[in-house]
Amino acid sequence: DAMVIQNPRYQVTQFGKPVTLSCSQTLNHNVMYWYQQKSSQAPKLLFHYYDKDFNNEADTPDNFQSRRPNTSFCFLDIRSPGLGDAAMYLCATSRDREADEQYFGPGTRLTVT
Amino acid sequence: GQNIDQPTEMTATEGAIVQINCTYQTSGFNGLFWYQQHAGEAPTFLSYNVLDGLEEKGRFSSFLSRSKGYSYLLLKELQMKDSASYLCAVLDSNYQLIWGAGTKLIIKP
Repeated sequence: DAMVIQNPRYQVTQFGKPVTLSCSQTLNHNVMYWYQQKSSQAPKLLFHYYDKDFNNEADTPDNFQSRRPNTSFCFLDIRSPGLGDAAMYLCATSRDREADEQYFGPGTRLTVT
Repeated sequence: GQNIDQPTEMTATEGAIVQINCTYQTSGFNGLFWYQQHAGEAPTFLSYNVLDGLEEKGRFSSFLSRSKGYSYLLLKELQMKDSASYLCAVLDSNYQLIWGAGTKLIIKP
């Protein structure tokens, strides 16, 4: 009965080699979020989709891109990963943007070698 | 700027009570969330407060004072499985969630 699924759970990529992380949801929620979280830090919002409306955070590097081809799926593309991009990447959903709890996937831990 | 402050780490004893404080300064307020995050796992929702006062949910309670920009999470009858980080997050006037860095709670037998 998994609700927010992320694949893979662990991803190793080489410096500069593009990588794609995926997220899917069975909740039919309107909003999907991508967060980056480094050890002992707060989750950092990269972008979110309200339905098909894409919202990029001002300080999200251009190196990070996202796609949401349909309600259920969302992808995070890192075009040229650097060592500083090693982190846990969390996908979350909420029914609506206002005051709704967010449901998180298990995360993908990205290692850059 | 927007800011959420929580203690970095706290230690408590199994069976005891612990209070984790959170103070915030944000542009507007549309509610405060508490999430629990076990090491290496995703955050899970614990509570949501938008009005002043105490919300009780089993062993966990959350309190909010909007005038003071202050909240706390109270955990009773602590169990070893409560060892985790507890994240405070505020929904600002733009409905953007501002996250604290979390409080790592260590439970000792």
